[in-house]
Amino acid sequence: DAGVIQSPRHEVTEMGQEVTLRCKPISGHNSLFWYRQTMMRGLELLIYFNNNVPIDDSGMPEDRFSAKMPNASFSTLKIQPSEPRDSAVYFCASSFSNGYNEQFFGPGTRLTVL
Amino acid sequence: QQQVKQSPQSLIVQKGGISIINCAYENTAFDYFPWYQQFPGKGPALLIAIRPDVSEKKEGRFTISFNKSAKQFSLHIMDSQPGDSATYFCAANSASKIIFGSGTRLSIRP
Repeated sequence: DAGVIQSPRHEVTEMGQEVTLRCKPISGHNSLFWYRQTMMRGLELLIYFNNNVPIDDSGMPEDRFSAKMPNASFSTLKIQPSEPRDSAVYFCASSFSNGYNEQFFGPGTRLTVL
Repeated sequence: QQQVKQSPQSLIVQKGGISIINCAYENTAFDYFPWYQQFPGKGPALLIAIRPDVSEKKEGRFTISFNKSAKQFSLHIMDSQPGDSATYFCAANSASKIIFGSGTRLSIRP
């Protein structure tokens, strides 16, 4: 099993540009989570999908952020327009909803917005 | 009520010593308490987890102690090794949501 796959691993962009982060969950998992990690705020849940449907997006910081899950094997997190304060490591995680939500994290995407 | 409070923020332990990290929660609806371990440049990975119907769970050198009445749980690492140096996150699950603690950066001195 390849685990959760995220791309790109590193992204450097300029303020105002659109950024798209990608995630392939573990096959068979039906829950997918997007997190943001910074030194100041720790690990924050941005949005959670179950069976491809967004369940809780209360952690999405503002309208510049959007996430989609068109099928069970792919999800995107888009930031448009990006700002320097969006610089962080973004993690995708997946789990099989068995009531105890053991989550498997991807390696993360380190985003730098100049 | 959704917070999970973790302490200490950082911890230095001598090789062979016991590392102890504490967490407290407020929401009694939480029904699963995992600990995640994160190495630099990597995503967090599940280390050990406990359900509220038991007071202790041990896996090798790692033990979770759980006090349901006090709404507290802790991670004990016995015979701590330099390879245990990492950031540790406690977490609590409610329904299908997971709330993470703020993390503890553990350093094991050789």
